[in-house]
Amino acid sequence: SQTIHQWPATLVQPVGSPLSLECTVEGTSNPNLYWYRQAAGRGLQLLFYSVGIGQISSEVPQNLSASRPQDRQFILSSKKLLLSDSGFYLCAWRIGGNQPQHFGDGTRLSIL
Amino acid sequence: GEDVEQSLFLSVREGDSSVINCTYTDSSSTYLYWYKQEPGAGLQLLTYIFSNMDMKQDQRLTVLLNKKDKHLSLRIADTQTGDSAIYFCAESSMNRDDKIIFGKGTRLHILP
Repeated sequence: SQTIHQWPATLVQPVGSPLSLECTVEGTSNPNLYWYRQAAGRGLQLLFYSVGIGQISSEVPQNLSASRPQDRQFILSSKKLLLSDSGFYLCAWRIGGNQPQHFGDGTRLSIL
Repeated sequence: GEDVEQSLFLSVREGDSSVINCTYTDSSSTYLYWYKQEPGAGLQLLTYIFSNMDMKQDQRLTVLLNKKDKHLSLRIADTQTGDSAIYFCAESSMNRDDKIIFGKGTRLHILP
């Protein structure tokens, strides 16, 4: 069966520091991969998605970037964090053809 | 662009039925999904329905789809305290193979 792992679960970082959040999927190949941010327990904002290795689509221009160095690995990064980057970050995967997305457990990011 | 709308809050007494409603705008929607998010966790897929169906039942959950009115509902029978969560409606379309559109979520509060 397929599983998705996100880490770390929680992270506290100072303003201006770099960021790297990692997401890996097991049990499937060539998934679509997604990064979302959720502010204050409300709606989901799609940040990036990827349909293949090295292919990244950005939905919202901002202080973050994403990379997909391997088929089942998706990384969210920042060179310098802002206070506004605080939030709950969720990774998700799906196989195409209108299948559901499946989510990781999320990373709670707090910027001080 | 495409949109999915939900009411933000719903309060229900324990043991009663909960009905969470959702409307969407994309007439080419092919699948519609319901996700549940408990505090501090990722989104859990509850159920989904293909657009050529009008009802799907799974234990205490009943999904009703009115494609003409672009209206989707989730009924939870015999609501329990463990049902307290945010419920997200989402839809996908063959015209948008890579992305799922999510509503902002309905927070279900259970009254004793």
